[in-house]
Amino acid sequence: KNEVEQSPQNLTAQEGEFITINCSYSVGISALHWLQQHPGGGIVSLFMLSSGKKKHGRLIATINIQEKHSSLHITASHPRDSAVYICAVRGDRSGGGADGLTFGKGTHLIIQP
Amino acid sequence: DVKVTQSSRYLVKRTGEKVFLECVQDMDHENMFWYRQDPGLGLRLIYFSYDVKMKEKGDIPEGYSVSREKKERFSLILESASTNQTSMYLCASSGLIMNTEAFFGQGTRLTVV
Repeated sequence: KNEVEQSPQNLTAQEGEFITINCSYSVGISALHWLQQHPGGGIVSLFMLSSGKKKHGRLIATINIQEKHSSLHITASHPRDSAVYICAVRGDRSGGGADGLTFGKGTHLIIQP
Repeated sequence: DVKVTQSSRYLVKRTGEKVFLECVQDMDHENMFWYRQDPGLGLRLIYFSYDVKMKEKGDIPEGYSVSREKKERFSLILESASTNQTSMYLCASSGLIMNTEAFFGQGTRLTVV
């Protein structure tokens, strides 16, 4: 079973700062997801990646398959970015069939004005 | 706009009651999942389904069952609710191909008293 570790657990920063959240996993994967959860519970998928780098607006996600590591970056952070960010991985199953994601415990981010 | 809809945002039930949590998706996805989320433990997979009438146990299936009679609907059943099942429950769906994005419902916060 894959172990997914996120750091930091909690992060408080000032508006405008560059934010980095890290995710490491223990075994090979087919894909890694970055998710955002706002208070109230709903989860939104930010990125799904299996190699390289993706960018959406102020958000950038990178993954290094060899090092089993991914980072989520937020540039020019804003109070509305305050949320829990969750890393999740899907195992590298060649047998097919559905498979749930394995989740990190999340990073609680607060951006202060 | 794609949608995964859970029937209730908040639910309070008594110990011993039979509880149904409903999830509906409108994306014609084959795979559907039920997770529970607890502080310090993150999200954990309860059950998943990759087709109508098909189900697989996740990491913590004890005390739960599921039903998938139609492709768009996946129900989580607590046969006899207990206080340790107080949690946030999240439903998700994804397409058949392994590396497709997962979409989440808004969550149901269940309290068992």
